[in-house]
Amino acid sequence: IAGITQAPTSQILAAGRRMTLRCTQDMRHNAMYWYRQDLGLGLRLIHYSNTAGTTGKGEVPDGYSVSRANTDDFPLTLASAVPSQTSVYFCASSPSGAADTQYFGPGTRLTVL
Amino acid sequence: GQNIDQPTEMTATEGAIVQINCTYQTSGFNGLFWYQQHAGEAPTFLSYNVLDGLEEKGRFSSFLSRSKGYSYLLLKELQMKDSASYLCAVRDGDYKLSFGAGTTVTVRA
Repeated sequence: IAGITQAPTSQILAAGRRMTLRCTQDMRHNAMYWYRQDLGLGLRLIHYSNTAGTTGKGEVPDGYSVSRANTDDFPLTLASAVPSQTSVYFCASSPSGAADTQYFGPGTRLTVL
Repeated sequence: GQNIDQPTEMTATEGAIVQINCTYQTSGFNGLFWYQQHAGEAPTFLSYNVLDGLEEKGRFSSFLSRSKGYSYLLLKELQMKDSASYLCAVRDGDYKLSFGAGTTVTVRA
C-alpha cells in the first residue's frame, strides 16, 4: 500500500542519547517534512526538504538535523536528546513542493527522560 | 511569524451542524487547509481554499474570506466518527505551512 511509514512507533529515550527517527515514502514525492506536535501548540515544522539533496530549517530546528540522500527517505536525528524534545513526531510529504497538499505518516511518539 | 486562532473545543449532537472558525494573520497568503486528526492518528487532508468562497465536499464545506483573514469548516449531519481534532493550516508567502492548535470536536449521541 502506497504511503508514508515511520519507525519506531514509539520510543523511550534517556536524555543525552542520540536517536534517529526514520521516514520512508513510496509515492515518489519530491518534498518531505518533519513536524512535532505538542498539546496546545499544534504542529510545528522542524525541517523540510524540497527535493533530494536539499534541506531547510523550519520553525523549531534547534537540536535536530536531517538528511535527504534520496527521494524516499528523510531521517530526523536528535544528536543529544533533552526532555523538551518529548513529543509526537510526524513526517509528511507532498508531490512537488510547498505548493501541494501534504500527506502525513502515522507518527512516532518519543519520550525523553 | 504566523498567528492562527481557532477554538479549543466544541461539542455537538449527532445529526447536528457545527461550524469551526479560524482566523489568521500571515505574511503573504497562498492557501488555507483543513485537516482532520483522530486521537492517536495522523492528520488527514479535508479541504483546500485559495480563493474566496465556499468549497463543498459532501457533508463538509470550507469557506474563505481573504480580506478578513477568516475561514470556517462546516460539518453537517454529524456522525459519531466525526469526533476528532480539526486543524486549520495557512500557507504563507514563502509557501511555508503553519498550523493552528486545533479544535477538538466531540459528537454526543
